[in-house]
Amino acid sequence: GQQLNQSPQSMFIQEGEDVSMNCTSSSIFNTWLWYKQDPGEGPVLLIALYKAGELTSNGRLTAQFGITRKDSFLNISASIPSDVGIYFCAGQLSGTSGSRLTFGEGTQLTVNP
Amino acid sequence: DAGITQSPRHKVTETGTPVTLRCHQTENHRYMYWYRQDPGHGLRLIHYSYGVKDTDKGEVSDGYSVSRSKTEDFLLTLESATSSQTSVYFCAISEYTGTSGPLDTQYFGPGTRLTVL
Repeated sequence: GQQLNQSPQSMFIQEGEDVSMNCTSSSIFNTWLWYKQDPGEGPVLLIALYKAGELTSNGRLTAQFGITRKDSFLNISASIPSDVGIYFCAGQLSGTSGSRLTFGEGTQLTVNP
Repeated sequence: DAGITQSPRHKVTETGTPVTLRCHQTENHRYMYWYRQDPGHGLRLIHYSYGVKDTDKGEVSDGYSVSRSKTEDFLLTLESATSSQTSVYFCAISEYTGTSGPLDTQYFGPGTRLTVL
């Protein structure tokens, strides 16, 4: 099946630093999604990208849908302690059978105050 | 937050016993999904539903069955639980529109942690 390569697997940063993570795929998607998961909770949608080349911001978060439709990145600026969690990318293909998501394995972010 | 609840939130059971997990939504979305999350594997699709009584398999469907008798409820059943089914299970919903867009995006419930001893 399709696989997404998400990197890095983990990051340890100081509060105030910027963060960058990315996902690449061997297949194309028509939507890229970035989710954050806190311990004991379900993934929460952060940013959705629906068009190749699209650059979207949500507060301190910025994400881009790669022009080849096979990759995406997420940047977090000026990190704060509440940014701690696991960040997942997901590529989505929409069709008559609903939207099928393929997830990356996640980036564990630790922010030191 | 999307109106999705899962029950129970935690369950411990023994090998060989049947287990049913429930997902309930208040959004009236057409599509519902069951995923499992395991270390090193991320989230993987078990089964999904595209309408009442309409379901299909995902990538890790062996050992699981589903049912959807009402739009708002999607049940996941482990007929005879095994230790390999110890996992965290997430339900998700979306409203498919046929094109990539906000209504086609999946939103997740809070999860059920299942332990099979």
